[in-house]
Amino acid sequence: GAVVSQHPSRVICKSGTSVKIECRSLDFQATTMFWYRQFPKQSLMLMATSNEGSKATYEQGVEKDKFLINHASLTLSTLTVTSAHPEDSSFYICSAYTGGSYNEQFFGPGTRLTVL
Amino acid sequence: GENVEQHPSTLSVQEGDSAVIKCTYSDSASNYFPWYKQELGKGPQLIIDIRSNVGEKKDQRIAVTLNKTAKHFSLHITETQPEDSAVYFCAASGSGGYQKVTFGTGTKLQVIP
Repeated sequence: GAVVSQHPSRVICKSGTSVKIECRSLDFQATTMFWYRQFPKQSLMLMATSNEGSKATYEQGVEKDKFLINHASLTLSTLTVTSAHPEDSSFYICSAYTGGSYNEQFFGPGTRLTVL
Repeated sequence: GENVEQHPSTLSVQEGDSAVIKCTYSDSASNYFPWYKQELGKGPQLIIDIRSNVGEKKDQRIAVTLNKTAKHFSLHITETQPEDSAVYFCAASGSGGYQKVTFGTGTKLQVIP
């Protein structure tokens, strides 16, 4: 299957700092990538849809100025959590759309963010 | 928008027994139904999917059934093994280019050796 990587896998930062998370499709080109947030023992909640070369589409309730998404190439999307606070601590997961006729998405391994 | 409900939230089975997880969806336009397995601290892994033109699909010990009339679909795992222990998510999506995938609430499966 398609391989998606994320970096870093785990990050701890101080409140008020910014953190960048990278999502890469390793063996295919992804015109669309998705960013999810998952709190403990909960399901995945879609934050935004990232399209290569255009602005991301954010879900209702997600602050676009706080969660900056850049999709500069067909294999890389980045999520920057700006001025992070403890309530932003979560598991962030990206997925990439393979371009099939059905919405086949493959997920990265996730990034555990802890804001102190 | 689409709403996906999943039951049960937790499921314990003896090794070798079968496990069944059921989901319902609300949007009749949805036609792609993937199932994901998520192990602790990892991202979801696609284990099987089914499309609206198929009623059943099987891959070794895993099978999925779809009833479009009733808007429900199920995951069946036979001959369960301890390594099947994980959280399983069902999901629903439309077709025609990328569409949002709506996830169920998850089922924590525990296989007891």
